[in-house]
Amino acid sequence: DAKTTQPTSMDCAEGRAANLPCNHSTISGNEYVYWYRQIHSQGPQYIIHGLKNNETNEMASLIITEDRKSSTLILPHATLRDTAVYYCIVSPLEYGNKLVFGAGTILRVKS
Amino acid sequence: GAVVSQHPSWVICKSGTSVKIECRSLDFQATTMFWYRQFPKQSLMLMATSNEGSKATYEQGVEKDKFLINHASLTLSTLTVTSAHPEDSSFYICSATNDGYNEQFFGPGTRLTVL
Repeated sequence: DAKTTQPTSMDCAEGRAANLPCNHSTISGNEYVYWYRQIHSQGPQYIIHGLKNNETNEMASLIITEDRKSSTLILPHATLRDTAVYYCIVSPLEYGNKLVFGAGTILRVKS
Repeated sequence: GAVVSQHPSWVICKSGTSVKIECRSLDFQATTMFWYRQFPKQSLMLMATSNEGSKATYEQGVEKDKFLINHASLTLSTLTVTSAHPEDSSFYICSATNDGYNEQFFGPGTRLTVL
């Protein structure tokens, strides 16, 4: 079973920031928070991951609370092409560890 | 990021036939590959994990004799759905990684329709 809880769906206006929350209250000390997204009928795409510090890359920012029980993925300027299902997953960092996908959040970016 | 391809992108077959799906890492050596299945309006479900040169590890409830996985090289893994039936119709997705990466790279998926 997935160890994360996400809202079923969210809407965001084009050009605005999209803030996607994720609860992972049972996260273990060696588990990272990963975010992937899946655009309709495509394979998932890696976005970002982090342990306890906030992270930023060219796609998004990841804000993890100090107690690590929740996090927020931020898309700073959402575009229509960001419409997708966003999955928050907790997993140890070691390569070869499987990812358990939950239901994710359907993000709809609207013009 | 690293690139993973799948072939075919879609396939339609008759009930009772076998179908082979290929997953290739194009620009890196994939020591570990994963196979997922996704039914309409559902999330991805992991079917099995395969390490190059080893037998695949199947998730609970996945029949290893029905879903044959071969990971014979560092760039290729195959999934064969044997004696396919309509209930096997699904979106099959592979991912690949190695110890140089912290994430998995996913293929574009293969849509299987069994008539």
